[in-house]
Amino acid sequence: AQSVAQPEDQVNVAEGNPLTVKCTYSVSGNPYLFWYVQYPNRGLQFLLKYITGDNLVKGSYGFEAEFNKSQTSFHLKKPSALVSDSALYFCAVRDNNAGNMLTFGGGTRLMVKP
Amino acid sequence: DGGITQSPKYLFRKEGQNVTLSCEQNLNHDAMYWYRQDPGQGLRLIYYSQIVNDFQKGDIAEGYSVSREKKESFPLTVTSAQKNPTAFYLCASNSPAGGPGYNTEQFFGPGTRLTVL
Repeated sequence: AQSVAQPEDQVNVAEGNPLTVKCTYSVSGNPYLFWYVQYPNRGLQFLLKYITGDNLVKGSYGFEAEFNKSQTSFHLKKPSALVSDSALYFCAVRDNNAGNMLTFGGGTRLMVKP
Repeated sequence: DGGITQSPKYLFRKEGQNVTLSCEQNLNHDAMYWYRQDPGQGLRLIYYSQIVNDFQKGDIAEGYSVSREKKESFPLTVTSAQKNPTAFYLCASNSPAGGPGYNTEQFFGPGTRLTVL
């Protein structure tokens, strides 16, 4: 079975400071990892993914994530937060040996204060 | 303009009533999915379909039904057997491995908020 944990319900950061949203995963095979962002009453927007290759993945809106196999983590980062980054962020995993299904974490609310 | 559309945006249901949520995509994706999102929780998979005329139950299929008669459409019916249907419903699609235009990430529609009166 595959699972994802987002240990923080909410992350608060000041505008201009770096941000990190944490994600750890568990799969039996090799993971495909994803980050999505959700604004109020909207669908999920794809930010970035790790499939294979470089452990540091760059995505939309200046976000990046680092795949760490030994720690089974895929933390989302941004060097300088914007107020407009305030939203709900979801990490998701797919075991590439177990079909096409994604398992989502519970979500982390990011609050960026001016 | 390619994408996924869901309608209606807001839906109100009376007790004992069945309602159907629409999901249409023009991305030529083979696979489509329905998720339920409750406040403070992640997404839970209701049903999915990898190909036309075939669908599978997800983690919380009880009280829901689907059909996949066309590649572009994957409607979800919330039946009266679903005791707590108030939630935000999200539809998604992608092209599974081995299919044309294969992509690993799922693309999401804007969602339908269902409220039981």
